[in-house]
Amino acid sequence: EPEVTQTPSHQVTQMGQEVILRCVPISNHLYFYWYRQILGQKVEFLVSFYNNEISEKSEIFDDQFSVERPDGSNFTLKIRSTKLEDSAMYFCASGGDYNEQFFGPGTRLTVL
Amino acid sequence: AQSVTQLDSHVSVSEGTPVLLRCNYSSSYSPSLFWYVQHPNKGLQLLLKYTSAATLVKGINGFEAEFKKSETSFHLTKPSAHMSDAAEYFCVVSGITGGGNKLTFGTGTQLKVEL
Repeated sequence: EPEVTQTPSHQVTQMGQEVILRCVPISNHLYFYWYRQILGQKVEFLVSFYNNEISEKSEIFDDQFSVERPDGSNFTLKIRSTKLEDSAMYFCASGGDYNEQFFGPGTRLTVL
Repeated sequence: AQSVTQLDSHVSVSEGTPVLLRCNYSSSYSPSLFWYVQHPNKGLQLLLKYTSAATLVKGINGFEAEFKKSETSFHLTKPSAHMSDAAEYFCVVSGITGGGNKLTFGTGTQLKVEL
């Protein structure tokens, strides 16, 4: 059964460093998303991406964040200059239509 | 605006007894509603979804949920709990935008299943 994959499973970085989180959505899916879950808090929407552009973003998704689909198979989330409060589990999701989302296993980002 | 409220942060049941996880929603539109499950150190798995078809929705692993518009509820049930059902469960409502579908998650209900 096809699934969303994410790498790495755990990323440790120093405050101020750039990180790139990678996702391989399910093949033929058209809608792509990033969410995050800070420890002990609920899952929060970050951004949705469709037709090679951002379709919606939350107030969390400021200028430090960017997304890209560089080669038609990967979907990346970049954080330009990480802060301590960026420490969280980041989930990628994809959907074949706008009414379904299949999630990857997540990347745990730890900012020191 | 849309939101979901999961009424119980923790539910504990005995194996073989029924499960009820409660969820109320608020949405300006006819909502799509979902239940996701998260096992320890695992990702989010879709259990079931309601998208304005039948109000009683059957999902995987024997779970089902009933959409009740008059009560703005979407409670998750299972007739007989299994040890493997122990996990965190999220009620989720969607908001359709021009190019996607932002999901709004509840705070989660931790289900504990005891022998």
